[in-house]
Amino acid sequence: DGGITQSPKYLFRKEGQNVTLSCEQNLNHDAMYWYRQDPGQGLRLIYYSQIVNDFQKGDIAEGYSVSREKKESFPLTVTSAQKNPTAFYLCASSPWDREKKLFFGSGTQLSVL
Amino acid sequence: SQKIEQNSEALNIQEGKTATLTCNYTNYSPAYLQWYRQDPGRGPVFLLLIRENEKEKRKERLKVTFDTTLKQSLFHITASQPADSATYLCAQRGSSYKLIFGSGTRLLVRP
Repeated sequence: DGGITQSPKYLFRKEGQNVTLSCEQNLNHDAMYWYRQDPGQGLRLIYYSQIVNDFQKGDIAEGYSVSREKKESFPLTVTSAQKNPTAFYLCASSPWDREKKLFFGSGTQLSVL
Repeated sequence: SQKIEQNSEALNIQEGKTATLTCNYTNYSPAYLQWYRQDPGRGPVFLLLIRENEKEKRKERLKVTFDTTLKQSLFHITASQPADSATYLCAQRGSSYKLIFGSGTRLLVRP
């Protein structure tokens, strides 16, 4: 089945620790995105990538880092610089066209211990 | 800056009735609007896209309208069912690379 897979479903971070969230897609989409969702708020864009080996900051990139070494993969690292990391993280992919219908993964809930 | 607003209060309706959700946008006139459904603990799922030159779009029991004068999109679910209970998000295209999402409206359909 074609789709987008995020792992793990739940993740816990200790103080001062970096954690990495995985995102893989087999839809052959050029573009991939990371969003953060907090309760009662809309999705906020962290990073996006149009093509392999290239990515751009979104609205709330501070404290996060990404890489795009393969078309299928777009991992997100939440660094210790992100002081309020508790949130629901969503990865998405889309064709790089005008309409950009997004296909989302099932999300990762990150909590701080 | 571009903003997109949805009613934060939950919509509670009886099964069989039509649910109507509202999405308002300010400043920027988007080329299109998208609607997504999100279930608790899951990622959003794309439902419908309506372009600025389209007044109405339908898909099965779903209907979306787009009024560029009012800067508003309405999302209707006819003959609603308890399985339609979810949060519905609208999104507009901002600058070329990203979508701007509303915070969503939670729909609860009572049996």
